[in-house]
Amino acid sequence: EAGVTQFPSHSVIEKGQTVTLRCDPISGHDNLYWYRRVMGKEIKFLLHFVKESKQDESGMPNNRFLAERTGGTYSTLKVQPAELEDSGVYFCASSQVRWAGELFFGEGSRLTVL
Amino acid sequence: GESVGLHLPTLSVQEGDNSIINCAYSNSASDYFIWYKQESGKGPQFIIDIRSNMDKRQGQRVTVLLNKTVKHLSLQIAATQPGDSAVYFCAENSLMDSSYKLIFGSGTRLLVRP
Repeated sequence: EAGVTQFPSHSVIEKGQTVTLRCDPISGHDNLYWYRRVMGKEIKFLLHFVKESKQDESGMPNNRFLAERTGGTYSTLKVQPAELEDSGVYFCASSQVRWAGELFFGEGSRLTVL
Repeated sequence: GESVGLHLPTLSVQEGDNSIINCAYSNSASDYFIWYKQESGKGPQFIIDIRSNMDKRQGQRVTVLLNKTVKHLSLQIAATQPGDSAVYFCAENSLMDSSYKLIFGSGTRLLVRP
């Protein structure tokens, strides 16, 4: 069974550019989460999808971040325009159960904004 | 605000010794706690979990202890091996606002000396 896959694994862009990160959850997992780890600090919650609906987007830092999950399958996270402080590792995770106990994480997309 | 944190950012142990990684949490309403392991270049991987109605749970070479009185969580690894070298995160499940997101601590790096 394939795990959570993320693309790209690493992206280097200049300040002001746009980047789109993609996450393919484990098949059949309705719950999809985005997290990020900035500057080697704690892993911070960004948002939670249940199927195609945003259950909780309280962690989204500002309106430069847009997450979508059309059709309730894969999800994209767009950063536009990117700022220096957006650099970090963006993790996607999925789970079958709504109460987020064991989350299955992807390997992350490392974003470097120059 | 509510937070989950760790006492030590880096822990160095001799191969074969036992490791103890500590975590403090501040949300007394949290009722589910999880330890994740993140190896270099990979996403966090579930290790073990514990519910608040328990104070100890054992897995294979790992034990999680929960002290609700002082809001303290620890992960014990028996006979630490080189493959245990990683960053370890504790996380809590927050049911605030009917949200099911995990709140992570900043992580402890475990280094195993040969």
